[in-house]
Amino acid sequence: QKEVEQNSGPLSVPEGAIASLNCTYSDRGSQSFFWYRQYSGKSPELIMFIYSNGDKEDGRFTAQLNKASQYVSLLIRDSQPSDSATYLCAVSVGGGADGLTFGKGTHLIIQP
Amino acid sequence: DVKVTQSSRYLVKRTGEKVFLECVQDMDHENMFWYRQDPGLGLRLIYFSYDVKMKEKGDIPEGYSVSREKKERFSLILESASTNQTSMYLCASSPPGTDYGYTFGSGTRLTVV
Repeated sequence: QKEVEQNSGPLSVPEGAIASLNCTYSDRGSQSFFWYRQYSGKSPELIMFIYSNGDKEDGRFTAQLNKASQYVSLLIRDSQPSDSATYLCAVSVGGGADGLTFGKGTHLIIQP
Repeated sequence: DVKVTQSSRYLVKRTGEKVFLECVQDMDHENMFWYRQDPGLGLRLIYFSYDVKMKEKGDIPEGYSVSREKKERFSLILESASTNQTSMYLCASSPPGTDYGYTFGSGTRLTVV
């Protein structure tokens, strides 16, 4: 059984600070890793994906992957109140057709 | 942008009814998925399909079936709705091959009474 673990939070971060969200996964065969943002009452929205060990940056967002430790993280720099949402980590063993396994999400609150 | 459209935003059905949830995508994606999302349980995969007339069971297929007669349409069927199927249902699609992540529809909140 593939498992993806996230701290449910809430994680409270002051506006302008760095928010750090973490995720661990159980299947060593996992190849693709995704971060989704979900606002209350809305559907998940893809914000980052990463396939290789190391860092991947996109604007204020940085995804970090360490396959040896089975660990993926998302950093949000210069956090804004609009970043307040639930962040879902998702993992796939690859190919795109087997279905993503999602963590339960971390609720992030950015305090003005 | 890829658009994934779910036919109903809110739906109320009675126990024992047969329920159809429809999903249509407009980007010619091969892969389509049905998830349900429940508080404390997160997103769970019900069924997925990687081609027309093909279907694969996900993690929680019991009580559900699917139909994919056309590439753009993936239907989820609750054969005999029960109260424990009250949930948010999310459809998603993706292109084949390397993972690009999924695009989700806006969801259908189903209440079974």
